[in-house]
Amino acid sequence: DAGVTQSPTHLIKTRGQQVTLRCSPKSGHDTVSWYQQALGQGPQFIFQYYEEEERQRGNFPDRFSGHQFPNYSSELNVNALLLGDSALYLCASSPRSSGNTIYFGEGSWLTVV
Amino acid sequence: GENVEQHPSTLSVQEGDSAVIKCTYSDSASNYFPWYKQELGKGPQLIIDIRSNVGEKKDQRIAVTLNKTAKHFSLHITETQPEDSAVYFCAASRTNAGKSTFGDGTTLTVKP
Repeated sequence: DAGVTQSPTHLIKTRGQQVTLRCSPKSGHDTVSWYQQALGQGPQFIFQYYEEEERQRGNFPDRFSGHQFPNYSSELNVNALLLGDSALYLCASSPRSSGNTIYFGEGSWLTVV
Repeated sequence: GENVEQHPSTLSVQEGDSAVIKCTYSDSASNYFPWYKQELGKGPQLIIDIRSNVGEKKDQRIAVTLNKTAKHFSLHITETQPEDSAVYFCAASRTNAGKSTFGDGTTLTVKP
């Protein structure tokens, strides 16, 4: 049973560029959340998707957007990259029925230069 | 919004000793408190969780306690082993709220 899978694992982008990160949830999970983890800090909630709609959003600007597909997989898009966007981006999935128990993938390391 | 504070930021123990990590939260409506272990270069792994209708939960060498009145919860690891060395995060959330708020982590080092 595959867990949460994310791609790519590492990437380097230039300031001003755009990036798309991808996530496949754990089998049986229909809800996907995205978190940003800066070095030395805990994960910060970006947003959550359920039934292909953004259900809740954290304190992140509109440059951060997402999408969920009918197969429950999800994408995180970040436009107009800033140096401060360099971080580990974590995808977490859960079954809606479990309330709030979430399981993380290994993350995508984004470096903005 | 919810605010979670975690202490200590670093903890070093001898193999076989116990380790305790403490967290406090601000939102009295929070009712779910998981703990995650994050090894270098990996994503956080859920190791134990507790809901507000329970005061203590144990799983082998790991236990979590919750004091709802004081709004704090703790992770206890007994008989520590070198493979317990990692960064540990606490978190708090409301049921079906979507958002989990994390502490800033505790780097645990277990010396052989």
